[in-house]
Amino acid sequence: DQQVKQNSPSLSVQEGRISILNCDYTNSMFDYFLWYKKYPAEGPTFLISISSIKDKNEDGRFTVFLNKSAKHLSLHIVPSQPGDSAVYFCAATTGGYQKVTFGIGTKLQVIP
Amino acid sequence: DTAVSQTPKYLVTQMGNDKSIKCEQNLGHDTMYWYKQDSKKFLKIMFSYNNKELIINETVPNRFSPKSPDKAHLNLHINSLELGDSAVYFCASSQDNMPAYNEQFFGPGTRLTVL
Repeated sequence: DQQVKQNSPSLSVQEGRISILNCDYTNSMFDYFLWYKKYPAEGPTFLISISSIKDKNEDGRFTVFLNKSAKHLSLHIVPSQPGDSAVYFCAATTGGYQKVTFGIGTKLQVIP
Repeated sequence: DTAVSQTPKYLVTQMGNDKSIKCEQNLGHDTMYWYKQDSKKFLKIMFSYNNKELIINETVPNRFSPKSPDKAHLNLHINSLELGDSAVYFCASSQDNMPAYNEQFFGPGTRLTVL
């Protein structure tokens, strides 16, 4: 039962353009959402998060948008850089002491 | 100066063997985790420990036994290895037991292959 879904396994974007990674969730109890980035042969690293009381959170080139009614969030990277090429995991939790549920990941390739 | 380290990085073994994976964090965190990333790339939590106390224990076979000798270490012992145990195992840590508010720091992973 995939509660966090990333339906695009891969995405290719030209350097300098916008990358948009999408994520859908099914559990309406989720109230905190996170994005992690993973390079090959490394563990995931935290990128950005958003609470359900917000609809947008920005950190430099990275912005996460949350649409609670649609149970959808997206990560925007502007401008995209070759170093952004990695697998991006969407994750969610019901908050507090609860576990984090991860999606399957989307592999982003930024073409120079 | 690695924050979360795991050993070994690769582990190839025969079915039925018993093996251990070690994890250490030097971040002074109170909480540590084990995750499994299977062939379908799902990253799923197996266990979490807070100050050496088991907090989360997902539906993991009894053959998997975590051990936390102190809060900087969380080892994973697997008995009677099966083919389906082949996966990448990630250790992680966070400041406290609230992963929603405190980012998790992951180790580089241990790729286990059971033949």
